[in-house]
Amino acid sequence: EAGVAQSPRYKIIEKRQSVAFWCNPISGHATLYWYQQILGQGPKLLIQFQNNGVVDDSQLPKDRFSAERLKGVDSTLKIQPAKLEDSAVYLCASSTSAGNSNYGYTFGSGTRLTVV
Amino acid sequence: QKEVEQNSGPLSVPEGAIASLNCTYSDRGSQSFFWYRQYSGKSPELIMSIYSNGDKEDGRFTAQLNKASQYVSLLIRDSQPSDSATYLCAVKASGGSYIPTFGRGTSLIVHP
Repeated sequence: EAGVAQSPRYKIIEKRQSVAFWCNPISGHATLYWYQQILGQGPKLLIQFQNNGVVDDSQLPKDRFSAERLKGVDSTLKIQPAKLEDSAVYLCASSTSAGNSNYGYTFGSGTRLTVV
Repeated sequence: QKEVEQNSGPLSVPEGAIASLNCTYSDRGSQSFFWYRQYSGKSPELIMSIYSNGDKEDGRFTAQLNKASQYVSLLIRDSQPSDSATYLCAVKASGGSYIPTFGRGTSLIVHP
């Protein structure tokens, strides 16, 4: 089975610019997550989708971050405008179900964002 | 604020030794516990999950859970240099939120 696909792998932008990341989850996985991992820290959830609906976006900085999953498959995460502290790896993960799932996630390879 | 604490390390062990990685958590009602391995520059991969008190073994890996003391540990027997990585503990709390909280990870170095 193909894994979680993410692009681009790397991105360097100047502060105040905008950037978008793309994720294609494992086929059939209804739940999709975006995580931010700052160097030396564990992943922090930004947003969780179940199909094309948002389940949890309580930790998403909504003044600058947005995400969508219009058709319940692919998802995009956008930052506008970017700040220096947004430099991190952005990980997409998917799983077969949300809610009471006891299963771990499958992560994509991530996008390493550097804001200069 | 649900917290998951791990010593950042690095933990250095010789090849062939047992590596012991520990994790404590604050939410007493937590139900599910996971260990992820993350190689430098790579994404995390799930290596163990545990839900009940006691030990769970999978090959060279053993996860240990003690809910009364609110800790979960990962033992790696016969450590190999290829085990050198950061090990992330993740805990799924109770009470309606099924999103796991990750610790910051422990860096393990296995030297020949």
